[in-house]
Amino acid sequence: DTAVSQTPKYLVTQMGNDKSIKCEQNLGHDTMYWYKQDSKKFLKIMFSYNNKELIINETVPNRFSPKSPDKAHLNLHINSLELGDSAVYFCASSLWGQSSYEQYFGPGTRLTVT
Amino acid sequence: KNQVEQSPQSLIILEGKNCTLQCNYTVSPFSNLRWYKQDTGRGPVSLTIMTFSENTKSNGRYTATLDADTKQSSLHITASQLSDSASYICVVIFSGGYNKLIFGAGTRLAVHP
Repeated sequence: DTAVSQTPKYLVTQMGNDKSIKCEQNLGHDTMYWYKQDSKKFLKIMFSYNNKELIINETVPNRFSPKSPDKAHLNLHINSLELGDSAVYFCASSLWGQSSYEQYFGPGTRLTVT
Repeated sequence: KNQVEQSPQSLIILEGKNCTLQCNYTVSPFSNLRWYKQDTGRGPVSLTIMTFSENTKSNGRYTATLDADTKQSSLHITASQLSDSASYICVVIFSGGYNKLIFGAGTRLAVHP
């Protein structure tokens, strides 16, 4: 029944490593997002994909590379991890078009870089 | 600058009591305003969505109000329950260009027995 799922839920790694977070939605949505929630609890949009096409890139370092193999999946790959990348990353999905369309969030992936 | 500010930062109330959370925003143009509930270790879940022309929207014990003139919103929780303990996040949809969600930092609510 899980609508938006993310793996892993927790990720602890060292500086300089490369890691990936996976996201899948079974809601039939055509748009997916990645958000970063920092220590101050603000959620900020990082990327958005519509029908596998990148539509939003909020000045995120190019060490972050999203990949959407199909409409139901949006993965996030991070190269050369830095301490400042430690945060909770949320995937979300929605229908595209109306601003009133609801966004459904995944449970989050807590990334800790040591 | 498009910002969303919430107050108080945290709040403790006793079970059964009511409370009101505040949200002020400077986002312009905006298309709608949402309140989300975020339980610890979980993703945000939508409580209410209001367009700029709506003044109030209810969802069970949650009632949100919106004053687009003063750019203020509030979330009123009636007869609080222990399960209401969570962060409540005000989100304003910036409609200039693409529909971008701008989040407040949230109010952390603790309901004690």
